[in-house]
Amino acid sequence: EPEVTQTPSHQVTQMGQEVILRCVPISNHLYFYWYRQILGQKVEFLVSFYNNEISEKSEIFDDQFSVERPDGSNFTLKIRSTKLEDSAMYFCASSEQGVIGETQYFGPGTRLLVL
Amino acid sequence: ILNVEQSPQSLHVQEGDSTNFTCSFPSSNFYALHWYRWETAKSPEALFVMTLNGDEKKKGRISATLNTKEGYSYLYIKGSQPEDSATYLCAFMSRYNNNDMRFGAGTRLTVKP
Repeated sequence: EPEVTQTPSHQVTQMGQEVILRCVPISNHLYFYWYRQILGQKVEFLVSFYNNEISEKSEIFDDQFSVERPDGSNFTLKIRSTKLEDSAMYFCASSEQGVIGETQYFGPGTRLLVL
Repeated sequence: ILNVEQSPQSLHVQEGDSTNFTCSFPSSNFYALHWYRWETAKSPEALFVMTLNGDEKKKGRISATLNTKEGYSYLYIKGSQPEDSATYLCAFMSRYNNNDMRFGAGTRLTVKP
């Protein structure tokens, strides 16, 4: 069964460094998403992406964050200058068409630790 | 504010017990409700997407109901098995932010053999 994959599974970085989290969505899916879960808190929506553009973003997704689909398969989340509070599990998800009632399929997550 | 609450926070049951838990969400501007099953170190697995008031969905021993007028959904597991042990997450989508899923904190289910 096709699945969403994410790399790396874990990343440790120093505060102020840039990180890029990578995702390979399911191949025929058109909508892509990033979520995060800070330890002990709820999963939070960051951004959705369709047709090479941001479709929606939350208040968390500020100028420090950017997303890109650099080629036909990868979908990346970049954090320009990491802060301690960016430490979280970051999940990528994809859905076929982004329509009502459609399932979003999640990857296994990247655990980011900012020191 | 789109607040999604799940109860209980955690649940311990014996193998064979049936169990249920609740997801509460804003009753206005409902768009869809998702249920996910999330085992540690794995991807959250989609269980159900529910869109209509009165929806009932079933997948094996797991079923879910939806009441959009009062803003709740129940997830039922019949005859729990140890492999059902996981965190069960619900996520609400509103009419205004229909790509933005707002998650509950989850119900952590442990099924003892």
